Amino acid sequence: QQPVQSPQAVILREGEDAVINCSSSKALYSVHWYRQKHGEAPVFLMILLKGGEQKGHDKISASFNEKKQQSSLYLTASQLSYSGTYFCGTENGDSNYQLIWGAGTKLIIKP
Amino acid sequence: DAGVTQSPTHLIKTRGQQVTLRCSPKSGHDTVSWYQQALGQGPQFIFQYYEEEERQRGNFPDRFSGHQFPNYSSELNVNALLLGDSALYLCASSFRKNYGYTFGSGTRLTVV
Repeated sequence: QQPVQSPQAVILREGEDAVINCSSSKALYSVHWYRQKHGEAPVFLMILLKGGEQKGHDKISASFNEKKQQSSLYLTASQLSYSGTYFCGTENGDSNYQLIWGAGTKLIIKP
Repeated sequence: DAGVTQSPTHLIKTRGQQVTLRCSPKSGHDTVSWYQQALGQGPQFIFQYYEEEERQRGNFPDRFSGHQFPNYSSELNVNALLLGDSALYLCASSFRKNYGYTFGSGTRLTVV
């Protein structure tokens, strides 16, 4: 039931791009994306609702393929501040309030 | 504008004891969710409170209980603490569904 994230870890040079994937075995109502830095609270990045959509947030964007039950997070021209662990969280219905989190993708950006 | 406030930040308890964690949601938010996060893992949903009632519960035993007050603040109570309850407990608030969650910095609970 837990969504599967890939890759588990990514090491990039500043300015490079990254893609993080989130896949579920169950039908999805929504997908959330959060970033958590070591010792800090998760920070909300964006939410995508069923219907298949894309969203952009500065150089961070995401897509949601409802049929494939997948979402991808795109980080463009990565900055040092993008380092952290990225989590996707999924909700399975409009009357379901339980956010089920993936295991996370650790992103390391080097200068 | 204050975000989500949790107290205490750290806590050490002995196995078998009881603990109460507190959360004040972000201004304008009416829903509070509680999560348990073990080291190196994603958060696990404990339960969500809305209009002072538990709206949904995750796969946690009855030792975990909560409460939401009229001012939307919330408490998480854990009875008969086990060593395995040691974790970071996160509170998240939101306004309605589909708007994302704002998290507090968490309470680090250590059970010895």
